[in-house]
Amino acid sequence: AQKITQTQPGMFVQEKEAVTLDCTYDTSDPSYGLFWYKQPSSGEMIFLIYQGSYDQQNATEGRYSLNFQKARKSANLVISASQLGDSAMYFCAMWGSNDYKLSFGAGTTVTVRA
Amino acid sequence: GAVVSQHPSRVICKSGTSVKIECRSLDFQATTMFWYRQFPKQSLMLMATSNEGSKATYEQGVEKDKFLINHASLTLSTLTVTSAHPEDSSFYICSARSQVTRITDTQYFGPGTRLTVL
Repeated sequence: AQKITQTQPGMFVQEKEAVTLDCTYDTSDPSYGLFWYKQPSSGEMIFLIYQGSYDQQNATEGRYSLNFQKARKSANLVISASQLGDSAMYFCAMWGSNDYKLSFGAGTTVTVRA
Repeated sequence: GAVVSQHPSRVICKSGTSVKIECRSLDFQATTMFWYRQFPKQSLMLMATSNEGSKATYEQGVEKDKFLINHASLTLSTLTVTSAHPEDSSFYICSARSQVTRITDTQYFGPGTRLTVL
């Protein structure tokens, strides 16, 4: 079984600043994948970034980067140069190698201030 | 990218009625579809995994007679909430997994269905 922990229920960030969202995980699978999704108030789940457990380099996608520390079992999301449109709920998720079921963390609400 | 649709996007019904929610993969064949439930300001909770042509696999604590899932084709899965009650009011989201997929495209999410039971 997998477990995802997000300990920050809410965060405020100033526009144009960077913000780091914490995510730790626990799994017994030797191979797994880690995801970050954004969920705006409309409810749709928007895929942001993916990190495979065997990937040597940290994943980056535009303003999003994933700080993957395998030994510490953490997969923090960094959003650089925050924009007002980044205000949303952010979920960390993972799947194991067997069934592709996604386990989600509790989520972090990010509010970007002008 | 791949597109998953859900219908209806919003439904309001009376207590005791049944509600059917459709999840369609529009431009790919989905061997597996997943149904999630989300309460306000909470996380997504997996309800069941639906495979085309076979019975759905329900997560622990999910009543299979309450939430009927049918995956009749490679592009359509339906969730029927039977004899709905106010406590079933929630946001229901489906996702679909492609037969041939890059690892980052493991699941494509639908836009969700907001169910309100009066």
